[in-house]
Amino acid sequence: DAKTTQPNSMESNEEEPVHLPCNHSTISGTDYIHWYRQLPSQGPEYVIHGLTSNVNNRMASLAIAEDRKSSTLILHRATLRDAAVYYCILRDTGNQFYFGTGTSLTVIP
Amino acid sequence: KAGVTQTPRYLIKTRGQQVTLSCSPISGHRSVSWYQQTPGQGLQFLFEYFSETQRNKGNFPGRFSGRQFSNSRSEMNVSTLELGDSALYLCASSLSTSTAQDTQYFGPGTRLTVL
Repeated sequence: DAKTTQPNSMESNEEEPVHLPCNHSTISGTDYIHWYRQLPSQGPEYVIHGLTSNVNNRMASLAIAEDRKSSTLILHRATLRDAAVYYCILRDTGNQFYFGTGTSLTVIP
Repeated sequence: KAGVTQTPRYLIKTRGQQVTLSCSPISGHRSVSWYQQTPGQGLQFLFEYFSETQRNKGNFPGRFSGRQFSNSRSEMNVSTLELGDSALYLCASSLSTSTAQDTQYFGPGTRLTVL
């Protein structure tokens, strides 16, 4: 099962962009890249996912490297409510989610 | 639409007892997955059910079991509880139309404490 590597923690100032990196050097051609986040005392929530092309939604953007061995979740303007643990996950058809340890994002007012 | 609901939210049991946790998925969702979250091990996949059949299983002992009913509601059972089973148990549901792209929607979890 393909695994991901993320920094344990990151800090960002409020209202500044945040780039959360994820390495997945063993990704297969059919693995989708998913991002979830978990706010304190809540279950994880979906953020974004993609296969090859960059993706945007109302919460964030996902930039995927051309070789797909890494990706970056971009929060365009961090708010205090974005403080959470962010998980980068690879998933292939028929396989379960492996959440890993994630990146704990601290947003500084 | 109502979100994923889990009952009970908190539970205290003693070693050797058994426990049943319940999960009601989002209406129309046919896949339900269960996870265990502990400070030391993080989020670990337990099992996934789709149309009343277990489709995937994580690396947990047989004391952990589950089932899914025809209305997609799911239960998980832990028998002969151990101290190490203290954790947050999360349930997630999805449409499961295309598994690799499926978005999972998580419930708030059940906090189990084993004394």
